[in-house]
Amino acid sequence: KQEVTQIPAALSVPEGENLVLNCSFTDSAIYNLQWFRQDPGKGLTSLLLIQSSQREQTSGRLNASLDKSSGRSTLYIAASQPGDSATYLCAVGFQKLVFGTGTRLLVSP
Amino acid sequence: EAGVAQSPRYKIIEKRQSVAFWCNPISGHATLYWYQQILGQGPKLLIQFQNNGVVDDSQLPKDRFSAERLKGVDSTLKIQPAKLEDSAVYLCASSLEGRRIYFGEGSWLTVV
Repeated sequence: KQEVTQIPAALSVPEGENLVLNCSFTDSAIYNLQWFRQDPGKGLTSLLLIQSSQREQTSGRLNASLDKSSGRSTLYIAASQPGDSATYLCAVGFQKLVFGTGTRLLVSP
Repeated sequence: EAGVAQSPRYKIIEKRQSVAFWCNPISGHATLYWYQQILGQGPKLLIQFQNNGVVDDSQLPKDRFSAERLKGVDSTLKIQPAKLEDSAVYLCASSLEGRRIYFGEGSWLTVV
């Protein structure tokens, strides 16, 4: 049974810092890994999707990497801004996604 | 492009009452999902449809939850009778097969 863990559960940083969010999964036989953002009271917004044959994906200030052999993914956020404050969730799977419990990020001005 | 639409956004009911949530996926998306997200946890898949057929409902509590997707477009998720532990956000999502999954804003259920 696939299990997904995200560390840390919460993170508080000052504006401008670069930061890394971690995601680990128990079964390396995954198809895709997605990173989502969830704002309070809102649904999930897909940020990046890494297919199993890929090692990383980039979108603006976000970079996600995938290491299937070690069962890990990282989401790197460059030059963080207060608007980045949200909960970040990673999920693995092809269509049936298994989610981690998320990292709650607070970026202070 | 319009996103995934859900209604109602918020619902408060008493335990043992019934409730229904509606979802309209992104146009052309054959795959539709209902996820349950309890506060502080990640979403959990309840049911997945491919067009109007059920692909996976292994985590759907079938004694009280039901879902349908008539005509392969809109979907309805029903809970009857509701329990306190059903308090959660019910997220509908859709995708083209194997592609990125898009979520709606969710229907927030409180059972008192």
